[in-house]
Amino acid sequence: DAGITQSPRYKITETGRQVTLMCHQTWSHSYMFWYRQDLGHGLRLIYYSAAADITDKGEVPDGYVVSRSKTENFPLTLESATRSQTSVYFCASSESTRGVGDEQFFGPGTRLTVL
Amino acid sequence: GEDVEQSLFLSVREGDSSVINCTYTDSSSTYLYWYKQEPGAGLQLLTYIFSNMDMKQDQRLTVLLNKKDKHLSLRIADTQTGDSAIYFCAERQAGANNLFFGTGTRLTVIP
Repeated sequence: DAGITQSPRYKITETGRQVTLMCHQTWSHSYMFWYRQDLGHGLRLIYYSAAADITDKGEVPDGYVVSRSKTENFPLTLESATRSQTSVYFCASSESTRGVGDEQFFGPGTRLTVL
Repeated sequence: GEDVEQSLFLSVREGDSSVINCTYTDSSSTYLYWYKQEPGAGLQLLTYIFSNMDMKQDQRLTVLLNKKDKHLSLRIADTQTGDSAIYFCAERQAGANNLFFGTGTRLTVIP
């Protein structure tokens, strides 16, 4: 499929389990981002990546791990899930982050529930 | 991150104009954006404005920027039921790779 996809779309897990959310884009965009969306907080950046093997923390990185071995994939791992990580997670990508061409394209989201 | 604030809810009647407001705190913002999120979907860029502009019009959408007051607004003319969604403003600060998003405003259009 062309564009940006996320899997799974829905996930229920238990406290303490490891969970990996997948993100895949077909545009060869350099930049990829992970956000979480919570009521009253809007979207908050967890991690982002400027290119393969380059990642950086965002606003709320604690409890999350990312990797980017290939340009098109940017998985997000919750090493030991907690209830506070129940949220909707969005992946996004952009060609650049400077001026024209920096539009971020969003995936459909993954709704994660931690019991 | 910098605070970007929006009202959480707005209701308008079909055919009326909607005005969604946003305030931000970082005076170094270079670009400001409006994104739309329809139910169960990701965000889609609606429009953006450079910080050296004070107005941008795109069909039914008008963006107004007051840099002095750090206030951004999105006006939707002739609002339709298909405009019902959550609208997010976002800012890009000078030198930053990421965007800072507001809390989102849920627009409900009443037929």
